[in-house]
Amino acid sequence: QKEVEQNSGPLSVPEGAIASLNCTYSDRVSQSFFWYRQYSGKSPELIMSIYSNGDKEDGRFTAQLNKASQYVSLLIRDSQPSDSATYLCAVTPRGDKLIFGTGTRLQVFP
Amino acid sequence: KAGVTQTPRYLIKTRGQQVTLSCSPISGHRSVSWYQQTPGQGLQFLFEYFSETQRNKGNFPGRFSGRQFSNSRSEMNVSTLELGDSALYLCASSYTGQGRTEQFFGPGTRLTVL
Repeated sequence: QKEVEQNSGPLSVPEGAIASLNCTYSDRVSQSFFWYRQYSGKSPELIMSIYSNGDKEDGRFTAQLNKASQYVSLLIRDSQPSDSATYLCAVTPRGDKLIFGTGTRLQVFP
Repeated sequence: KAGVTQTPRYLIKTRGQQVTLSCSPISGHRSVSWYQQTPGQGLQFLFEYFSETQRNKGNFPGRFSGRQFSNSRSEMNVSTLELGDSALYLCASSYTGQGRTEQFFGPGTRLTVL
């Protein structure tokens, strides 16, 4: 079992729709959870961090965490073509070592 | 604040050579982590340095090494390069506040081994 699992996609959504990205993790002691966005040929950019159960909203982005189910999700409202990228879920089970999923490729079409 | 800087941005080496990559963290950040990104394996943790000490290490062979200087700048070295070492090498600078740490990535160094 991989430590962090994501559906590789691509996830295709029309412009203006809600994109829902999901991630599961295996280590129950994980305390910190992150979503990074990576455009093709670029480095990952931190877009959301979440540390406690529930929802955290930042602009068009909402991160959701359920530690009992070991599940993290990212919702992107009013998706734009510029949101087309690979979204990486990352967790820190111990210390500051980030464990990444393989990423979900999101395509937003006009 | 300036972001994380990495040099060089691109490198081409041949098998058997060695390479040194450099990373300057965001001002005030004392922790630097290194990651390797390949299409097949994704993003994998190499090691983390804090106050010139290696605090954490991933599952990479001893050919991969690093160090951190007193000004928090970090270098990583790969000796006896193999074709499989071709990858994007990313440095991340960490800030810890209220017991929580966030990592910010530099632009990366793309290494090609021929």
